[in-house]
Amino acid sequence: GNSVTQMEGPVTLSEEAFLTINCTYTATGYPSLFWYVQYPGEGLQLLLKATKADDKGSNKGFEATYRKETTSFHLEKGSVQVSDSAVYFCALSDYKLSFGAGTTVTVRA
Amino acid sequence: NAGVTQTPKFRVLKTGQSMTLLCAQDMNHEYMYWYRQDPGMGLRLIHYSVGEGTTAKGEVPDGYNVSRLKKQNFLLGLESAAPSQTSVYFCASSSERTTDTQYFGPGTRLTVL
Repeated sequence: GNSVTQMEGPVTLSEEAFLTINCTYTATGYPSLFWYVQYPGEGLQLLLKATKADDKGSNKGFEATYRKETTSFHLEKGSVQVSDSAVYFCALSDYKLSFGAGTTVTVRA
Repeated sequence: NAGVTQTPKFRVLKTGQSMTLLCAQDMNHEYMYWYRQDPGMGLRLIHYSVGEGTTAKGEVPDGYNVSRLKKQNFLLGLESAAPSQTSVYFCASSSERTTDTQYFGPGTRLTVL
């Protein structure tokens, strides 16, 4: 079946540091890939997505590229802010979403 | 647009009690989902619906029932709550296509004593 494995946290960074969260997947067919973000006390919201190989999703300074050859969809941001503190979930979709376990990111001022 | 709303936001139950969680969406989406979120396990799909009057089992359906009598509403029921059902429950909706974004509600925190 489909599955997602993402880097375990928690991750603690200083403001303006570079952030990478690794995500790899196992899937049959050609799923769409997503990063969702959950801010404290809230539901999940879409951060970015890619629907086919080599697509790059981007939003709010975050980027991720759909790499079919390495079955990966790593999330990156060049300079994080305190407001980026959240839990980040990698997910893939065929007829439903399969989520990774989530990575908690804390950014210190 | 309110998006996806969930009722209630918090609830405490005793073992064996029953309750219903209500999810409503105003985006005219066909697909609706119920997930549970537990520490270190991400979100796991409980049940989902591909349209009014339809429901299907997800990864962890045992102990839950659902109904989709109206397109905009998706109800999750616990007939006899157990401590293992202590969790945060999220509802989501999307249009038909698998490439589309799922929109999540704010969650219901349920504690079963």
